[in-house]
Amino acid sequence: NAGVTQTPKFQVLKTGQSMTLQCAQDMNHNSMYWYRQDPGMGLRLIYYSASEGTTDKGEVPNGYNVSRLNKREFSLRLESAAPSQTSVYFCASSEGLRRGYTFGSGTRLTVV
Amino acid sequence: AQRVTQPEKLLSVFKGAPVELKCNYSYSGSPELFWYVQYSRQRLQLLLRHISRESIKGFTADLNKGETSFHLKKPFAQEEDSAMYYCALSEGAQKLVFGQGTRLTINP
Repeated sequence: NAGVTQTPKFQVLKTGQSMTLQCAQDMNHNSMYWYRQDPGMGLRLIYYSASEGTTDKGEVPNGYNVSRLNKREFSLRLESAAPSQTSVYFCASSEGLRRGYTFGSGTRLTVV
Repeated sequence: AQRVTQPEKLLSVFKGAPVELKCNYSYSGSPELFWYVQYSRQRLQLLLRHISRESIKGFTADLNKGETSFHLKKPFAQEEDSAMYYCALSEGAQKLVFGQGTRLTINP
């Protein structure tokens, strides 16, 4: 039972490069989320998808795009990476907030 | 906007001592609050929810609407409690807003 799988685990990008972070869940959850984790800032929501076919901006969406490819997959794209996007990115899924989020293991991204 | 504040970035206590991790929130409706924990080299995971009024790994948290607080407490700290702790607030039943996190270190 994999839960939430994120790829890659680590990535180094040069400023201006693009990349897509992949996330997949096998729990049949409706809702999926992308957060970034920065020291002293906690977890900040980038985008979320309440259900297949819908996406909404979170607190810090600038510089990112998302795609809810199907119920299982929710990808995060950086079109032109900037050093300010150096962070640890977490994907999560949920079937009702009262049951909590299930998190992926995270992607550590460094933009140089 | 809803906000969650964890005033302590770092907290260090000795094994066997009581632990209290502070969490304050601002929310106009009826809040639903959670504590999440991230142990070293492990994923973030749900620790407890205020609606369940549960005790997990000896931790409890009581919602105080008057003081808008949801502090996490444990009477006797153990070394395995060392971790990063996040308080979170449900916003519109669709997403969670997290606090800045508190890194708890239990000294032997």
